Amino acid sequence: SQQGEEDPQALSIQEGENATMNCSYKTSINNLQWYRQNSGRGLVHLILIRSNEREKHSGRLRVTLDTSKKSSSLLITASRAADTASYFCATDTRAGTALIFGKGTTLSVSS
Amino acid sequence: EPEVTQTPSHQVTQMGQEVILRCVPISNHLYFYWYRQILGQKVEFLVSFYNNEISEKSEIFDDQFSVERPDGSNFTLKIRSTKLEDSAMYFCASNLRDVTGELFFGEGSRLTVL
Repeated sequence: SQQGEEDPQALSIQEGENATMNCSYKTSINNLQWYRQNSGRGLVHLILIRSNEREKHSGRLRVTLDTSKKSSSLLITASRAADTASYFCATDTRAGTALIFGKGTTLSVSS
Repeated sequence: EPEVTQTPSHQVTQMGQEVILRCVPISNHLYFYWYRQILGQKVEFLVSFYNNEISEKSEIFDDQFSVERPDGSNFTLKIRSTKLEDSAMYFCASNLRDVTGELFFGEGSRLTVL
């Protein structure tokens, strides 16, 4: 399966600290995306990184992609209590195929 | 801001009953998807739909499941004869382009099968 696997499963930090989540996948990919899910809510797209990109930034988010290691990381800098959520990586093998999600990392940020 | 809407937000049904979950994708989107999430677990792909036909489906999407776009706005998921293990949150999503891009998700329909 090309499914992403996030690591760690759960992460607890204090406000102001950085949070790093990792995603590994098994087969070559077209794109890798990160989504956020607040408890009981729908998923919200955060950032997309293409297979030929190595790093991307969006506000306090930084995503890296290492296709040789089949892994990606999501860094949230200066975390806030409002960042408390589950974070999922999702990959597709080629354009037009379904996005397959990993199991997610549950981030808890305490103030 | 345009959004994907899903109804009902919660449905309780008896095992063996038929259930229809409804979605209104964003109006100019062309690609539609159903995912499900069993409580606290991963988000699982069920089916994708484009140009009035299924473009891809997972092994979960067996003969008990069907999808339909009955008019220009609704996109439905039908489960013909529900099982206990169908209890989950079902998410509809849509996107605009023919290459995989950002998916826009609805808030989900929670299905409880008793």
